[in-house]
Parts: sequence; structure tokens; C-alpha cells
Amino acid sequence: QKEVEQNSGPLSVPEGAIASLNCTYSDRGSQSFFWYRQYSGKSPELIMSIYSNGDKEDGRFTAQLNKASQYVSLLIRDSQPSDSATYLCAVNSGGGSNYKLTFGKGTLLTVNP
Amino acid sequence: DAGITQSPRHKVTETGTPVTLRCHQTENHRYMYWYRQDPGHGLRLIHYSYGVKDTDKGEVSDGYSVSRSKTEDFLLTLESATSSQTSVYFCAIRTSDRFGETQYFGPGTRLLVL
Repeated sequence: QKEVEQNSGPLSVPEGAIASLNCTYSDRGSQSFFWYRQYSGKSPELIMSIYSNGDKEDGRFTAQLNKASQYVSLLIRDSQPSDSATYLCAVNSGGGSNYKLTFGKGTLLTVNP
Repeated sequence: DAGITQSPRHKVTETGTPVTLRCHQTENHRYMYWYRQDPGHGLRLIHYSYGVKDTDKGEVSDGYSVSRSKTEDFLLTLESATSSQTSVYFCAIRTSDRFGETQYFGPGTRLLVL
């Protein structure tokens, strides 16, 4: 069974700091990787995707992928109180009609003013 | 919001009653998905559809059925609701954009089975 593991947190960081969120996955055939942000009582919102080893930056967000270690991370620079949410890591291992996302349970991030 | 709506947004029902949740999309997406989200379990796939009348099971499909008679609507039915089906249900569509091939979620339905 394909698994995606995340530290449940809560992860608490001061405003302006870098928040680092981590995720590991079990299926070596995984092809694409996503980070969703979910505010309490709301639906998941896609914020980042990454497909190749290395770093991908988008605004204050940087996603990092290491396929050899089966590890994905999300860095949030200059963290703001509005970044306080649960962050979900999602991994896809198939294409066509076999495309399905497996989600981690999420990490709760709290940014303290 | 990828043009996805879900109805009802909230529902309270009793054990043993049938319940149907509706997902509606306006952008002609071929692939649609139903998930449930529970504390301690995260998001889990119930069923998905890859076209009109084409559906398949996900990892937690027992007790659920789905139908897709037209592209825009994907229905999730609990034939006889149980308390273990109390959850938040999210519909998602699959699309391609600047993030690549990915999924976007509807606003969710909160279901309480008493």
C-alpha cells in the first residue's frame, strides 16, 4: 500500500521565520508531488507542485524533492500569521485513468505574531 | 475554485437512511473524484470517474456507490448511512495548469450520521 508520511505537528514558528515541512513517501515509482494548504473548515488549496529532483521556488514557497531518499519538503520564507494552516503532502504514482493522489495526514503549522 | 460546487454543504441524517451527495462542475473536466477526510486519517479516495458512466473504486469504497450520467455531475450515494460515515466529503476534479496535471477540490460537504 502506498504511504505518505508527515509529522502531524503542530509546528510553531515566529513571524518572519522559515517554516520547514517534510514528507516521505513509500512508492519509488511516484512521479509528481504536491503541497496543499488547508485552513480550518475549508477545502485543500493547491500551492506547489514539483516533478524533478531539486528545488522549485514560487514566491515565498520552495518545494524540494529528493527521489533517491523519497523525500519532499516545503519551505515557507518570511512566515506570516496567515500561513497558519494544515499543509498536506500529496503524491501521484500513475498516469491516465490510474492517476490518483495519495495524501499524507497533514502538518499543522502555527505562525506566532 | 475550478468551478466546482457541492450540495448539500451540510447534512444531518439518521443511521440506515440513504444519502446522496452531489458534485457539479462547469468546466467539462473528464476526471472527478470523491474523498472523505477524517481526523487521524487524512484524505482518502472513495471512488473516481474517468468519464460518463465510467467509474472505479478507491481505497475506502465499501458502503458507497457513485454514478455519473453526465459530464458535469458526479453523485456519491450512501445506501444505508452508518455513524462511521460521519465525515467531511470533498469532490475534486483533475486538470492541467501551471502546476501540471493535478486536482482541485470543491468546498466540501459535512455529513453527520446520528
